[in-house]
Amino acid sequence: ETGVTQTPRHLVMGMTNKKSLKCEQHLGHNAMYWYKQSAKKPLELMFVYSLEERVENNSVPSRFSPECPNSSHLFLHLHTLQPEDSALYLCASSQDRSDTQYFGPGTRLTVL
Amino acid sequence: AQSVTQLGSHVSVSEGALVLLRCNYSSSVPPYLFWYVQYPNQGLQLLLKYTTGATLVKGINGFEAEFKKSETSFHLTKPSAHMSDAAEYFCAVFSGGYNKLIFGAGTRLAVHP
Repeated sequence: ETGVTQTPRHLVMGMTNKKSLKCEQHLGHNAMYWYKQSAKKPLELMFVYSLEERVENNSVPSRFSPECPNSSHLFLHLHTLQPEDSALYLCASSQDRSDTQYFGPGTRLTVL
Repeated sequence: AQSVTQLGSHVSVSEGALVLLRCNYSSSVPPYLFWYVQYPNQGLQLLLKYTTGATLVKGINGFEAEFKKSETSFHLTKPSAHMSDAAEYFCAVFSGGYNKLIFGAGTRLAVHP
């Protein structure tokens, strides 16, 4: 596969569930990002990893927990989410933080 | 602080007509500017970008944008709309101070026969 891939593409979960979103980039990039895209809101940057180190956390609730085990993989662990967390979660990567970001197709999350 | 304003959350054009999507930015330093397109149920795809050099930038699918420093604008144009251009378009500016990409709210383009 090429580019940035995300799994699953769709996820429905209850408020008490624990699930994880996965992102993989095949571009040899050093930076990876999680964004949240809600209806009628601008894209919200959630987390940034550079060389596997978390360099930014934009006041995201602790029910979202990112993990970057290596430069190609990024996870977003979810637990005890709220219905307002329903959104499209986008992963992106770039060569470095000032370079062009390339996005995955997203995971459509619905919290019941 | 850097910001991006996209004028018009919805734009509708006829097939074959000119597409003009407006983007204004604020930046205290020379900006890096981007346009992305998002088709339904997909991620964002890079259309074009401006970093330095020529102010008229050509992208994919026949789109182009012109960086106008005096107007702090980076409007996206396409001479002739196609039905397949229907999508949401996002303008973004890279904020060197905050080291992040700042997105506009997006413009949804509808193309009708």
